[in-house]
Amino acid sequence: DAGVTQSPTHLIKTRGQQVTLRCSPKSGHDTVSWYQQALGQGPQFIFQYYEEEERQRGNFPDRFSGHQFPNYSSELNVNALLLGDSALYLCASSRRRQSTNEKLFFGSGTQLSVL
Amino acid sequence: AQKVTQAQTEISVVEKEDVTLDCVYETRDTTYYLFWYKQPPSGELVFLIRRNSFDEQNEISGRYSWNFQKSTSSFNFTITASQVVDSAVYFCALSGTYTDKLIFGTGTRLQVFP
Repeated sequence: DAGVTQSPTHLIKTRGQQVTLRCSPKSGHDTVSWYQQALGQGPQFIFQYYEEEERQRGNFPDRFSGHQFPNYSSELNVNALLLGDSALYLCASSRRRQSTNEKLFFGSGTQLSVL
Repeated sequence: AQKVTQAQTEISVVEKEDVTLDCVYETRDTTYYLFWYKQPPSGELVFLIRRNSFDEQNEISGRYSWNFQKSTSSFNFTITASQVVDSAVYFCALSGTYTDKLIFGTGTRLQVFP
């Protein structure tokens, strides 16, 4: 049973460029969340996708956008990259529930370096 | 606002020592969930435990145990007889009702030396 997979594992970009990160959720999961983890910090919630729509969003600018596909996989796009966007980007998946909180399964992340 | 504080930045112990990682949280929700995750050098966050705010029973799982005290808003994690493989960064996290969004602490780096 494959867990959450993310690609690429590492990426180097320059300021002003755009980047797309990809995530495939764990089998049986339909909800994908994205987190940004700066060096030495805890992960920060970016947004969550369910049924191909953004359902929740954290305190991130519009430069951060996403998409969810019918097969539940997801992309995170970041435009006009800044040096401060350098971080580990983690994808997490879960099953959507109405009443109880589901634990999240995380991928190994994409390490983005902006030069 | 919700907040999680892990005051211990880094802890170093020798193998077989017991170690406790502290976590203090703030929330106005009456129903909430607390989590511990482990992050080894590979980067993946590994789920360890989830507790809801109505269940204050302490839990033990092998060498791991958790002490949830609502009165002090704390959810501490103890590793008994630590092993080198326990070396990782440990995160405490909080979420509210009807949401998977996690609020993480800044993590505690645990180093276990042989």
